[in-house]
Amino acid sequence: QKEVEQDPGPLSVPEGAIVSLNCTYSNSAFQYFMWYRQYSRKGPELLMYTYSSGNKEDGRFTAQVDKSSKYISLFIRDSQPSDSATYLCAMVHLETSGSRLTFGEGTQLTVNP
Amino acid sequence: KAGVTQTPRYLIKTRGQQVTLSCSPISGHRSVSWYQQTPGQGLQFLFEYFSETQRNKGNFPGRFSGRQFSNSRSEMNVSTLELGDSALYLCASSLPTTTDTQYFGPGTRLTVL
Repeated sequence: QKEVEQDPGPLSVPEGAIVSLNCTYSNSAFQYFMWYRQYSRKGPELLMYTYSSGNKEDGRFTAQVDKSSKYISLFIRDSQPSDSATYLCAMVHLETSGSRLTFGEGTQLTVNP
Repeated sequence: KAGVTQTPRYLIKTRGQQVTLSCSPISGHRSVSWYQQTPGQGLQFLFEYFSETQRNKGNFPGRFSGRQFSNSRSEMNVSTLELGDSALYLCASSLPTTTDTQYFGPGTRLTVL
């Protein structure tokens, strides 16, 4: 069983929709959580970083962490065609150094105009 | 500020050969991590270098090795290439104090024939 589970999709939504992306994890030692966005033929870029349970908002993006359920989410409001990309959740284990990120498989999102 | 650069961007090799990939981190970043990305396994951590020392290592065979130079530039080497080594190899750099906030390069696409 993978340490981090993420539905690979693909997910297709109309422009303006609210998108919900989710990851679950099995190890409670994961304490820092990130969301990366990866466009085709590009490296991942950091979107959101959280370390506590609750919500964190940045523009149209909201990251939500529920450590008791080992569940994290990324919400995208008013989705745009430019949001079409693969979204990866990533986590850092407390028992290793911060440099080792453990990624979910990634969810491929398409926002249709 | 220039981002993480990786060379070459594309590479084709045959089984049994060896390959060396290069990564130049963002100026001031002393930690460099390497990841392998494949459709089946997603992004997997290879190793991390900090101040010319390997500080963290993933679960890859010894055919995968790396090094870091005094200017923080890093190389990774794969010897005796196998078909399954075909992947996108990503390098990420970070500041010494925030190694969990990583900035990725565009990757090197390696194809093994």
